[in-house]
Amino acid sequence: DAGITQSPRHKVTETGTPVTLRCHQTENHRYMYWYRQDPGHGLRLIHYSYGVKDTDKGEVSDGYSVSRSKTEDFLLTLESATSSQTSVYFCAISEPRTPYEQYFGPGTRLTVT
Amino acid sequence: GNSVTQMEGPVTLSEEAFLTINCTYTATGYPSLFWYVQYPGEGLQLLLKATKADDKGSNKGFEATYRKETTSFHLEKGSVQVSDSAVYFCALSDGGTGTASKLTFGTGTRLQVTL
Repeated sequence: DAGITQSPRHKVTETGTPVTLRCHQTENHRYMYWYRQDPGHGLRLIHYSYGVKDTDKGEVSDGYSVSRSKTEDFLLTLESATSSQTSVYFCAISEPRTPYEQYFGPGTRLTVT
Repeated sequence: GNSVTQMEGPVTLSEEAFLTINCTYTATGYPSLFWYVQYPGEGLQLLLKATKADDKGSNKGFEATYRKETTSFHLEKGSVQVSDSAVYFCALSDGGTGTASKLTFGTGTRLQVTL
C-alpha cells in the first residue's frame, strides 16, 4: 500500500465551524489531490498541488482552501462548513512520470449538521 | 468539458458469470482512459489503463479496449468471483506526463457477485 494517511477518519461538525482535514504521505510524491465522493457524482476534484506551496483549483473548489507547506502534507480547510459539504473526502498522490496513476488514501467521512 | 458516463448499477451476477460494465466518454483531444476499483471501506485503486486508441488495458482478468470511433472503454471479465464485488469507476485524463493529472470520473458502478 502507498503510504498515505488521512486524519481524522471520521468527523461530525456543526454548520459554520471551520474544519481542517489532513493528508500525509511518506512516498515523497510530487503531486497531491483532494477529491470528494458523493452518490451520483463519483469523485470530483476539489484542489490539487503540483509542488510545495503550488496549488490550483479543481472542479468544485468553492468553499474550500488548501495549503502545502511541505512535500508530505496537504491540508484541506472548510472555512465555514455547510451541510452541502457532508461527504467522503479522499486524498491522492501521484508522480510526474505517471501522473494519472493516482494512489488514494482511506478517506475521511465528514458530516456537517 | 470532459465527461464520463457509465452504466447504472448495481450489477448483480453469479460467480463465474461474464461481466461487462459500459463506459463512454466525451473529451477534446486524445485522453487516456482508466478503470479504478474501490473495495468496501477503502480508497480507489488503479485497475487498468489505456493511453491511446486501440490499446487494450488488462489486469487481474479484467480487460478494456480504448475505442476512439465509439468513444468507449467498456470493462469486461470472463468469469467473476465473489472477491470482485466492489465499485468500479471509469475515468479519463487529458494531461500528459510531467503535469498534475486532473482525472474526470464517472459516477461508479457497484458490482455484487453472489455464490
